[in-house]
Amino acid sequence: GDSVTQMEGPVTLSEEAFLTINCTYTATGYPSLFWYVQYPGEGLQLLLKATKADDKGSNKGFEATYRKETTSFHLEKGSVQVSDSAVYFCALSAPPGAGGTSYGKLTFGQGTILTVHP
Amino acid sequence: ETGVTQTPRHLVMGMTNKKSLKCEQHLGHNAMYWYKQSAKKPLELMFVYSLEERVENNSVPSRFSPECPNSSHLFLHLHTLQPEDSALYLCASSQRTGGTGELFFGEGSRLTVL
Repeated sequence: GDSVTQMEGPVTLSEEAFLTINCTYTATGYPSLFWYVQYPGEGLQLLLKATKADDKGSNKGFEATYRKETTSFHLEKGSVQVSDSAVYFCALSAPPGAGGTSYGKLTFGQGTILTVHP
Repeated sequence: ETGVTQTPRHLVMGMTNKKSLKCEQHLGHNAMYWYKQSAKKPLELMFVYSLEERVENNSVPSRFSPECPNSSHLFLHLHTLQPEDSALYLCASSQRTGGTGELFFGEGSRLTVL
């Protein structure tokens, strides 16, 4: 079945450091790929997405490129801020009909806790 | 209101109580979901309603009972819960067809079972 594997956390960085959170996936066909972010006490928010190979999703200084050859979707940011402290989830979406479902099933990674210090 | 709204945001209940969580989406979507988020565990999909078809995770105990009266509203009825059911319960919605499969989440209902 489909699966998403994220790098183990927690990740602790100083402000303005470079961030990479690795994400690899296993899926049949051509899934869409997502990064979600969860700030303390809140639900998950979509950070960025990519729907086909070589697409680059970007938002708020974060970027991730859909690499089909390496089945990866690593999240990067050139200069993190204290306000980026949150939990980051990589996810993939199989289209309706895949695996016998009638809905688009979203599979999440386990989440990576990021803490940024001033 | 916009997006996905969940009430209550916080709930404390005893093991013999009966309570309900409510979710409402204002996005015109036709699929709604309940997820459970426990500390140090992956997000767990509990139930899906897609075009009024209910799909459930067979590992969800019967003390959790979903209800979806229409495409905009979703409930999770709770009864005789256990302390290990304490968690953040997240509601989400999506467009079943024509979209990229992304989910839109509410802010969650934090449940504590005493």
